[in-house]
Amino acid sequence: EDKVVQSPLSLVVHEGDTVTLNCSYEVTNFRSLLWYKQEKKAPTFLFMLTSSGIEKKSGRLSSILDKKELFSILNITATQTGDSAVYLCAVNVTPSNTGKLIFGQGTTLQVKP
Amino acid sequence: DAGVIQSPRHEVTEMGQEVTLRCKPISGHNSLFWYRQTMMRGLELLIYFNNNVPIDDSGMPEDRFSAKMPNASFSTLKIQPSEPRDSAVYFCASSLILTGQNTGELFFGEGSRLTVL
Repeated sequence: EDKVVQSPLSLVVHEGDTVTLNCSYEVTNFRSLLWYKQEKKAPTFLFMLTSSGIEKKSGRLSSILDKKELFSILNITATQTGDSAVYLCAVNVTPSNTGKLIFGQGTTLQVKP
Repeated sequence: DAGVIQSPRHEVTEMGQEVTLRCKPISGHNSLFWYRQTMMRGLELLIYFNNNVPIDDSGMPEDRFSAKMPNASFSTLKIQPSEPRDSAVYFCASSLILTGQNTGELFFGEGSRLTVL
């Protein structure tokens, strides 16, 4: 069975700290790995990763994929209270390009002032 | 440009009642997904459609759940009869999937929070 596991499940830090969120996966047909941020409502897209070792970066957020070890990390530097959210990792598991995503449980990040 | 639109935003019903959730995907998108989110199980894919055709409904919990997509701009998820364990947030998402090109990015609606008493 395809599986995506995130750790930690929850994390509390103070503003200015750097955090690393982990995502490991076991799937039969890997196509890509995606990170989403979910605040009160709908998940919003952060990154998509398809190749090992290539860092994706957006402001204070960055992510990298290791397809040999089957994991990805999401880094947030100089955290702010606005970074408080659930961070979801998902794997696109179909080779037939239909966009089916399997999600992990999510990591709940709370950034305290 | 309007995003994915879901209705109702909140629904409280009693066990045994029929529940219908609605979704309007982003215009031009050709794939539509129904997800359910609970604290215990996270986001689970229930069913998805490509060009209005159901591709994979293996995530639909049981026969009480059904989904339709009669045209490119509308989909429903129906639960009949509803049970307390169906209480969750149901998300609809859409995407444009092109042959050979797939960003994997889904655009989510704001969800329908269902409470079955």
